[in-house]
Amino acid sequence: KNQVEQSPQSLIILEGKNCTLQCNYTVSPFSNLRWYKQDTGRGPVSLTIMTFSENTKSNGRYTATLDADTKQSSLHITASQLSDSASYICVVRGRGGGNKLTFGTGTQLKVEL
Amino acid sequence: EAQVTQNPRYLITVTGKKLTVTCSQNMNHEYMSWYRQDPGLGLRQIYYSMNVEVTDKGDVPEGYKVSRKEKRNFPLILESPSPNQTSLYFCASSLVGSSSYGEYFGPGTRLTVT
Repeated sequence: KNQVEQSPQSLIILEGKNCTLQCNYTVSPFSNLRWYKQDTGRGPVSLTIMTFSENTKSNGRYTATLDADTKQSSLHITASQLSDSASYICVVRGRGGGNKLTFGTGTQLKVEL
Repeated sequence: EAQVTQNPRYLITVTGKKLTVTCSQNMNHEYMSWYRQDPGLGLRQIYYSMNVEVTDKGDVPEGYKVSRKEKRNFPLILESPSPNQTSLYFCASSLVGSSSYGEYFGPGTRLTVT
């Protein structure tokens, strides 16, 4: 069964600090992996998307890494801001089979002063 | 502005009263999809559509219907809503044909069925 597991479930950090969120998946065959940011009560917004041939991709203070061999991805947030407080969702798209997406349950990040 | 819109944003209804949640996108995307999001379960796909008149079931289609008569619209229909359909619903759209395509999500519809 295709699964996406994220850790930690929740995280509290101080403003200005860095953090790393983890995503492990079992989806195979693999097409791409995306990280979304979801503010409370709002729709997810894409941060990065990576295909199997990409190891790292950055979007401002967000840097995602992908190891397709071990089926692991991470999202690193640098110099966190209060506005980074949100849920971060890892989503894996399988290859073929009608655009099948498998969603992680997210990591809830809170950035405090 | 490129966007996915949903209406209504909030809805409280009673068991058995048919309702429709509309979804529209202005990006000429072929692919559209509906999700529900429940605490601790993450996003789960209800139905998706690869193009006009082409729809298919996702992971949790029971109790829902969809139609795709126009490229820009993808309404979600609950013929006889039940309390277990109380949830936060998201519509999404994307291009098809590239392994790197991604989805744009709407703002969400919070549905309560009493």
